[in-house]
Amino acid sequence: LAKTTQPISMDSYEGQEVNITCSHNNIATNDYITWYQQFPSQGPRFIIQGYKTKVTNEVASLFIPADRKSSTLSLPRVSLSDTAVYYCLVGDFYNQGGKLIFGQGTELSVKP
Amino acid sequence: SAVISQKPSRDICQRGTSLTIQCQVDSQVTMMFWYRQQPGQSLTLIATANQGSEATYESGFVIDKFPISRPNLTFSTLTVSNMSPEDSSIYLCSAGQGPNSPLHFGNGTRLTVT
Repeated sequence: LAKTTQPISMDSYEGQEVNITCSHNNIATNDYITWYQQFPSQGPRFIIQGYKTKVTNEVASLFIPADRKSSTLSLPRVSLSDTAVYYCLVGDFYNQGGKLIFGQGTELSVKP
Repeated sequence: SAVISQKPSRDICQRGTSLTIQCQVDSQVTMMFWYRQQPGQSLTLIATANQGSEATYESGFVIDKFPISRPNLTFSTLTVSNMSPEDSSIYLCSAGQGPNSPLHFGNGTRLTVT
């Protein structure tokens, strides 16, 4: 499984765009990149998944450079309710039976 | 997306006793997993709950301590046996429709062992 490195914490203000970068230097050819969000006292929630280039949904965008050794989760115009822990996960989810191995996560604090 | 209900949501137990946590999914799912999360920490995978067969445990977790059942495609239980204070944690159930589908999580069971 590819090891991931992401900042332990980040601060932002309401209305700003937040970019959280995850490093995964030993990503393998069959690995996908997925991000989860966890609010206090809740289980994690899927945000977005990608393999290469850019993926966008109603919640976030995921940017993956050509070498795939890193990825950036972009949250547009954050609000106080985006305060949460964000996890970057990398793996060949299909061949590992769908299980997710969580790393440390980034604790995002959005201030008014 | 699947909705996952866990019972109990929290419990305080005496050391040496056992607690069974139930996980109910509102639709049939192919994958179910059990995780543990210490407050302020990340999630640690305990095991994959296999329907109709023995669970697959991750390194550091054994069946005698964490027996798991999965009798059908919507339900699973995790038992924490012979509890000690070190077992105090949040236990989370997760489920998914397929290996490349998102996993959905319950809100966890907060266990305190005294």
